[in-house]
Amino acid sequence: DAKTTQPPSMDCAEGRAANLPCNHSTISGNEYVYWYRQIHSQGPQYIIHGLKNNETNEMASLIITEDRKSSTLILPHATLRDTAVYYCIVRVSPSNTGKLIFGQGTTLQVKP
Amino acid sequence: DTAVSQTPKYLVTQMGNDKSIKCEQNLGHDTMYWYKQDSKKFLKIMFSYNNKELIINETVPNRFSPKSPDKAHLNLHINSLELGDSAVYFCASSQSGVLRGGVGNTIYFGEGSWLTVV
Repeated sequence: DAKTTQPPSMDCAEGRAANLPCNHSTISGNEYVYWYRQIHSQGPQYIIHGLKNNETNEMASLIITEDRKSSTLILPHATLRDTAVYYCIVRVSPSNTGKLIFGQGTTLQVKP
Repeated sequence: DTAVSQTPKYLVTQMGNDKSIKCEQNLGHDTMYWYKQDSKKFLKIMFSYNNKELIINETVPNRFSPKSPDKAHLNLHINSLELGDSAVYFCASSQSGVLRGGVGNTIYFGEGSWLTVV
């Protein structure tokens, strides 16, 4: 699975959009971009995933560049409860193992 | 309704003891996992089972033995506990380890079991 690079930490004001970048310059054509987050003392939570096109769900939007070498997770109106570590993961799908390889992630601090 | 539940949530035990952590998922998934998160917060996969069959064993010591009585349960038994085993252990599940087009590949995690070895 391709390696990802994320900034170690970011701040965001409550109510503003949080834009979390991720670089995955060695991504292969059959690898998807997944985002998970881990709120303190909880298990990782799935947010969104995509292959080529931009995706949106009730939690967030995922913007993938045309060359697929980077992506941005957007939380449109961040709340204090969005404070967490956000993990960008690229993985083959279908995968014969299904495992996720977590990096260090980005610690997002939403401030009032 | 908790999708992936694991017990106990907290466990403090002495070195050399044997302990088990239980996990159950009510999502009807075929694949279950155990992940370990150490003191540096790195999350790493330990095991994966698909329909009760072991498909991933990430060079975990033999003291760790997963048991899957059915596809809804994956328990983790640890023998001769060591100080370095102190960590948070997360159980997880997904529809299938083998996927089509990314659909059904979402992995759902439990709330974690905090193991402290003293």
